[in-house]
Amino acid sequence: RKEVEQDPGPFNVPEGATVAFNCTYSNSASQSFFWYRQDCRKEPKLLMSVYSSGNEDGRFTAQLNRASQYISLLIRDSKLSDSATYLCVVNGASKIIFGSGTRLSIRP
Amino acid sequence: ETGVTQSPTHLIKTRGQQVTLRCSSQSGHNTVSWYQQALGQGPQFIFQYYREEENGRGNFPPRFSGLQFPNYSSELNVNALELDDSALYLCASSGRGWEQFFGPGTRLTVL
Repeated sequence: RKEVEQDPGPFNVPEGATVAFNCTYSNSASQSFFWYRQDCRKEPKLLMSVYSSGNEDGRFTAQLNRASQYISLLIRDSKLSDSATYLCVVNGASKIIFGSGTRLSIRP
Repeated sequence: ETGVTQSPTHLIKTRGQQVTLRCSSQSGHNTVSWYQQALGQGPQFIFQYYREEENGRGNFPPRFSGLQFPNYSSELNVNALELDDSALYLCASSGRGWEQFFGPGTRLTVL
C-alpha cells in the first residue's frame, strides 16, 4: 500500500463546476499537509496548507480529517485556468511524501 | 517566482557517468529538499538538508548523495547513472515553516 494515495483522474469538468479531490495517507504520525498545483512541464507551486479546522482561500477549501487519515481539496466555480495536476503532500518525521497527483481539466 | 534557482536546466549523460546538480535556495531559507519526478508521477523525496546536515532521506540508494553549503545552496550528486535515473530533478527550499518553494528543475536524460 502506498503511503499517500490520490485518485489519478483525470477529472474533466465544465467551467463553473465544483470539483473535489481526496488524498489518503497511512502514517498517523504525519505532521503537516499541503496541496500543490503543477502545470505541465513546470515545477509544483504551493496552493495551500491544510489544517484540521479547515481553511479557505477564495474558491479553494482544504480540509484535514486526522481520524480517517485523509485530506481534501474543494474547488468551487472552476475556471479554465484551474486545469493542472493537483498534488497532496504529507510531511512526517524526516520524510516528505507527495501523492502521484490528480489531473484536472476544465472545459469551456 | 520563488527565488529558487537550479542549474543546469537540461543535461544529457550516458550510463555509468556521474552528475552534479545545483540549487540555490530562497533568501532566508535554511532547508533544501531534493526530489526526483518521473513523467506522470508525483515527486519522490530523495533527501533533505538542514543547516548543512542531512535531515531525512527517502528510498534512494547511496549513489544519490548531497551537500549543503554555508550559504544554504545545495548539490545533488548521482554516481553510476542508470537509464531509470532519467527524470526531472527538483529542489525546494523552506524556512521555519513546512511550506516548500520549488525551483524550475533540471531535466536529466541518461542514454
